[in-house]
Amino acid sequence: DAKTTQPPSMDCAEGRAANLPCNHSTISGNEYVYWYRQIHSQGPQYIIHGLKNNETNEMASLIITEDRKSSTLILPHATLRDTAVYYCIVSFSGGGADGLTFGKGTHLIIQP
Amino acid sequence: ETGVTQTPRHLVMGMTNKKSLKCEQHLGHNAMYWYKQSAKKPLELMFVYSLEERVENNSVPSRFSPECPNSSHLFLHLHTLQPEDSALYLCASSRQGINNEQFFGPGTRLTVL
Repeated sequence: DAKTTQPPSMDCAEGRAANLPCNHSTISGNEYVYWYRQIHSQGPQYIIHGLKNNETNEMASLIITEDRKSSTLILPHATLRDTAVYYCIVSFSGGGADGLTFGKGTHLIIQP
Repeated sequence: ETGVTQTPRHLVMGMTNKKSLKCEQHLGHNAMYWYKQSAKKPLELMFVYSLEERVENNSVPSRFSPECPNSSHLFLHLHTLQPEDSALYLCASSRQGINNEQFFGPGTRLTVL
């Protein structure tokens, strides 16, 4: 079973920041938080990951609380192409090959 | 070609047929994965290969048989499937020892009649 909890759906206006929350209260010390998204009928796409520090890349920012029990993915200027299902996943990083455990994710709908 | 490719993109087969799904990655990765996505269900991990050896079999029925002949290719051999096996089958790859950023292919949409 997935170790994360996400709202099933969210709406956001085009051009605004989309903030997607995730709870992972049982995360262990050596597990990272990963975010992927899946646009309809395509393969999932990696977005970003982090351990305990906030992270930013060209796609998004990841804010992880100090106790690591929750995180927020921020898409700073959402566009219609950001409409997708967003998955928050906890996983080990490095070492062996680790399969990902997907939950139901958040269906983010960007409104024009 | 770059990235992760999967063929065929669509497949319709009868319950008595034997078919194979193919995945190829051009990223220099050394780990490959099969996932299954049924309608209205989360993606499910099926198999994990690390350095061409199977390291995880996630309680998948024996009618699904994976094969990894080298680090760039992954197959999923199918035989005597059931209609409930109809799903999107996704292949992914990653580079061990770096992080768990997995690159996914576009998937094969399988319909079992």
